[in-house]
Amino acid sequence: GENVEQHPSTLSVQEGDSAVIKCTYSDSASNYFPWYKQELGKGPQLIIDIRSNVGEKKDQRIAVTLNKTAKHFSLHITETQPEDSAVYFCAANRDDKIIFGKGTRLHILP
Amino acid sequence: DTGVSQDPRHKITKRGQNVTFRCDPISEHNRLYWYRQTLGQGPEFLTYFQNEAQLEKSRLLSDRFSAERPKGSFSTLEIQRTEQGDSAMYLCASSFSVYNEQYFGPGTRLTVT
Repeated sequence: GENVEQHPSTLSVQEGDSAVIKCTYSDSASNYFPWYKQELGKGPQLIIDIRSNVGEKKDQRIAVTLNKTAKHFSLHITETQPEDSAVYFCAANRDDKIIFGKGTRLHILP
Repeated sequence: DTGVSQDPRHKITKRGQNVTFRCDPISEHNRLYWYRQTLGQGPEFLTYFQNEAQLEKSRLLSDRFSAERPKGSFSTLEIQRTEQGDSAMYLCASSFSVYNEQYFGPGTRLTVT
């Protein structure tokens, strides 16, 4: 079955700097890769996703890249702000389900 | 309709009691998913429905767990004879189809004492 590995588990960056979170997946049949942001006490919020027919997608300060050959995908946040502090989850589909990574806790330092 | 809602938001129960959670999906979404999330982990798939049909159940879903989605609208998740290991956040998500994005509710946090 699908296995999604995510790293780092914790990331601290200075406000204004960039943050990068990386994930790998195991199932070559996966073709949908969403990213979720979860704040304390709330459910995960979809922030961006990418499908296997594209290699990169950008939405304002957030971008995702996908390398299907290597089974890698990454989240890039530029010009980080205090409100970016949260736990971020990558995920990949397996059949009709979504399999999540274990999450990255992002701290934005003032 | 502003999103997926779940009720209750918090539930504290004693070991051995039964609990039931409710999820109301986004109204036009035909797929509904249940996940469990423990501290420091990502959401883990439990089961999902397409309309009123339950299409798959994870092996995480023991026989003490049952889920329903009558009439393809809201869904309930019942846990019988709760155990301390059932303590977790139970999340519900909905989507329009298998190819579309899943939107999550705020979750129900269960504490079994």
